[in-house]
Amino acid sequence: GAGVSQSPSNKVTEKGKDVELRCDPISGHTALYWYRQSLGQGLEFLIYFQGNSAPDKSGLPSDRFSAERTGGSVSTLTIQRTQQEDSAVYLCASSPGGRDQLFFGSGTQLSVL
Amino acid sequence: QKEVEQDPGPLSVPEGAIVSLNCTYSNSAFQYFMWYRQYSRKGPELLMYTYSSGNKEDGRFTAQVDKSSKYISLFIRDSQPSDSATYLCAMSSSGNTPLVFGKGTRLSVIA
Repeated sequence: GAGVSQSPSNKVTEKGKDVELRCDPISGHTALYWYRQSLGQGLEFLIYFQGNSAPDKSGLPSDRFSAERTGGSVSTLTIQRTQQEDSAVYLCASSPGGRDQLFFGSGTQLSVL
Repeated sequence: QKEVEQDPGPLSVPEGAIVSLNCTYSNSAFQYFMWYRQYSRKGPELLMYTYSSGNKEDGRFTAQVDKSSKYISLFIRDSQPSDSATYLCAMSSSGNTPLVFGKGTRLSVIA
């Protein structure tokens, strides 16, 4: 079966541009997470979707960051007016329902020039 | 003080050595403890999962949790070059809270 799929795998953009990152979770998984991994840093929680509940946005670093999940499946993370400090690997993970066993995608490497 | 502290290494050991990886944490509410392994340019994958205090063994891997000391460990016996990766500890409290990760320890096992 397919794992968590993320696209693009690499994205280079100019400062001030908007970017969209896509995540296809494992079929049937109700929970979906976005994390950010910067060089030398651990995984930083961004946002969490569980079924039809309101998402937990407590980790979003600023209002330039937003995410949606359509039809309880595919999710898009949008970063508006990108800054150089947004450069990182953005990881998506899904889970059958609980918050413990996360299945991660390979991530999108975002570089803001 | 960060919620989870983990020495980033790098740690380099010869093949066959016993490896000890550790994390400390400050939040006494944490009850679920995990170790993830991350190969270069890949996402983390779950390696070990432990609830509350105690030991758990799976093949060459043993996870230990000491809640009284707020300290968790991962031991790798008979280490192999294929174990070369970054190891991240992660933990969460009961209820609806996100996993908190350590920075990861980069391990190299030299043949």
